[in-house]
Amino acid sequence: DGGITQSPKYLFRKEGQNVTLSCEQNLNHDAMYWYRQDPGQGLRLIYYSQIVNDFQKGDIAEGYSVSREKKESFPLTVTSAQKNPTAFYLCASSPQGALGEQYFGPGTRLTVT
Amino acid sequence: AQKVTQAQTEISVVEKEDVTLDCVYETRDTTYYLFWYKQPPSGELVFLIRRNSFDEQNEISGRYSWNFQKSTSSFNFTITASQVVDSAVYFCALSEATGFQKLVFGTGTRLLVSP
Repeated sequence: DGGITQSPKYLFRKEGQNVTLSCEQNLNHDAMYWYRQDPGQGLRLIYYSQIVNDFQKGDIAEGYSVSREKKESFPLTVTSAQKNPTAFYLCASSPQGALGEQYFGPGTRLTVT
Repeated sequence: AQKVTQAQTEISVVEKEDVTLDCVYETRDTTYYLFWYKQPPSGELVFLIRRNSFDEQNEISGRYSWNFQKSTSSFNFTITASQVVDSAVYFCALSEATGFQKLVFGTGTRLLVSP
């Protein structure tokens, strides 16, 4: 089945550690996105990539890094510089000409203590 | 700057009731898109509808209907005869029609439908 895979569903880390969240899609979409969702807030864009080997900062990129070495993969690293990393992270993708319609993965809930 | 406001944080209804989720937006663009997404308890967002700013016709899809009014900058979503499976968080979103088309989301409305 075509879709977006995010693993793991739940992730626990100690403060000060970097952690990488996985996002894989087999939809052959060009664009991929990372969002952060906090309770009572909408989704906020962290990073996005419109094509392989290129990515752009979103609204809240500080403390995060990404790579886009393959079309189907867009991993997100939450670094120790991110002050409040505990959140629900959603990955999405969209084809060219999608006119804003995005396809979302199931998300990863990261807890840092 | 673009902004989407969903003033209703949480709505509780009993099955078979009709419910309307409000969405008010702000943008300086003359051409834009409006969206509704559903986030069930499983977590992933599911696309429900996209509306072009030039198309103010209301749309109906089964029990779902959307009312777009440019005059009041609103894009409201009505579920008729709600069902327990409609329980979810619903997000309204806005994007520009050109360029990157970044989605700007509202804070969401949690809908609880009880039997």
